[in-house]
Amino acid sequence: EVQLVESGGGLVQPGGSLRLSCAASGFTLSSYWMHWVRQAPGKGLVWVSRINSDGSSTNCADSVKGRFTISRDNAKNTLYLQMNSLRVEDTAVYYCARDPDSNGFSAMDVWGQGTPVTVSS
Amino acid sequence: DIQMTQSPSSLSASVGDRVTMTCRASQRIRSHLNWYQRKPGKAPKLLIFAASSLQSGVPSRFSGSGSGTDFTLTISSLQPEDSADYYCQQSYSTPYIFGQGTKLEIK
Repeated sequence: EVQLVESGGGLVQPGGSLRLSCAASGFTLSSYWMHWVRQAPGKGLVWVSRINSDGSSTNCADSVKGRFTISRDNAKNTLYLQMNSLRVEDTAVYYCARDPDSNGFSAMDVWGQGTPVTVSS
Repeated sequence: DIQMTQSPSSLSASVGDRVTMTCRASQRIRSHLNWYQRKPGKAPKLLIFAASSLQSGVPSRFSGSGSGTDFTLTISSLQPEDSADYYCQQSYSTPYIFGQGTKLEIK
């Protein structure tokens, strides 16, 4: 079964750090681009960051630039999101998602169940 | 950044109705437009990619159309299980902005 499972979320104080992980199973992670998307309570979906299949290229939203870093370990079939200098407004459920980038069209076809991050003092 | 505007923000329809919702991009994005369904407590689900391609396993009552700046998601015959939030997302250039969502309720 194709599956993504996030972990690493939790409660952290403003200014703190967390590292989220996304374990892939049922498919070869190295064949796919990957994304992180978040959803704050009562709000819509927000794209956070993207990484290409071999990890050589990344992009992220302006709101997290310089604070969040996406990375991957294809040998371990795992995607990561290192989150530093966390702010209250980063509170959200964080999802990882797979992107086949089929024929040059990006879309997120498999999603994890999400891991909640709460930034609060 | 390319902004995405969905309308309406919410709608209510009856089982069997034909439902249409729209998404407008602030600049041309060719066909780089995806639609997702989000139900409470569940991960988002890809419905339509590349503006009009039906994702595998998605019922054929869902369809997408449009190109450039204006896009439409249509449900041809609404079913009770279609009650959800629907989001469009542009994948033409980063940041891959989502629309604010359309909340679909069943009367």
